[in-house]
Amino acid sequence: DGGITQSPKYLFRKEGQNVTLSCEQNLNHDAMYWYRQDPGQGLRLIYYSQIVNDFQKGDIAEGYSVSREKKESFPLTVTSAQKNPTAFYLCASSIDGGSWKETQYFGPGTRLLVL
Amino acid sequence: EDKVVQSPLSLVVHEGDTVTLNCSYEVTNFRSLLWYKQEKKAPTFLFMLTSSGIEKKSGRLSSILDKKELSSILNITATQTGDSAIYLCAVKGAQKLVFGQGTRLTINP
Repeated sequence: DGGITQSPKYLFRKEGQNVTLSCEQNLNHDAMYWYRQDPGQGLRLIYYSQIVNDFQKGDIAEGYSVSREKKESFPLTVTSAQKNPTAFYLCASSIDGGSWKETQYFGPGTRLLVL
Repeated sequence: EDKVVQSPLSLVVHEGDTVTLNCSYEVTNFRSLLWYKQEKKAPTFLFMLTSSGIEKKSGRLSSILDKKELSSILNITATQTGDSAIYLCAVKGAQKLVFGQGTRLTINP
């Protein structure tokens, strides 16, 4: 079964805590992305990676960190520096991040809530 | 700064009606425009448009791009309750995909 998986489905964060959201894909896609979705604001790009061991900041990278040690995996850490982390987080992947013909495919999302 | 604006933000219609959703953009080095449908979780891909004036169609859904007007419309005919969702428009520019705010469509029986 090919696709993108995200875990956990729901995540609760305490004040001052770092939490990590998992994203895995078995589509053999080179590029992976993290978006944040808030009500009425659409999707905003946090980080993206076009190839293993390389990643770039998106529009709202502050308070987040990522790694891309394997092609299949692109975990996102929400650090304590992110003051308003409550949101729905979506991971996506595409065959080739540089191609204008790309289509991004999304995972099921993780909803992060602050306790 | 690249920008994508969708309208209306919210729309409520009765089953069987036809709806038109709008997307306008200001993006450097336009490459393509995509429409997604988001029900509860992951946005699912509907259409990708690259050429002006060519309609893409899938069942009751269709979409067309107007590069002169920097806009696109998504039409849904004979709407059903299962069409209720957030419809997202996204435009690929020089480097990344820029999303609009989405249109929340509700179909009442």
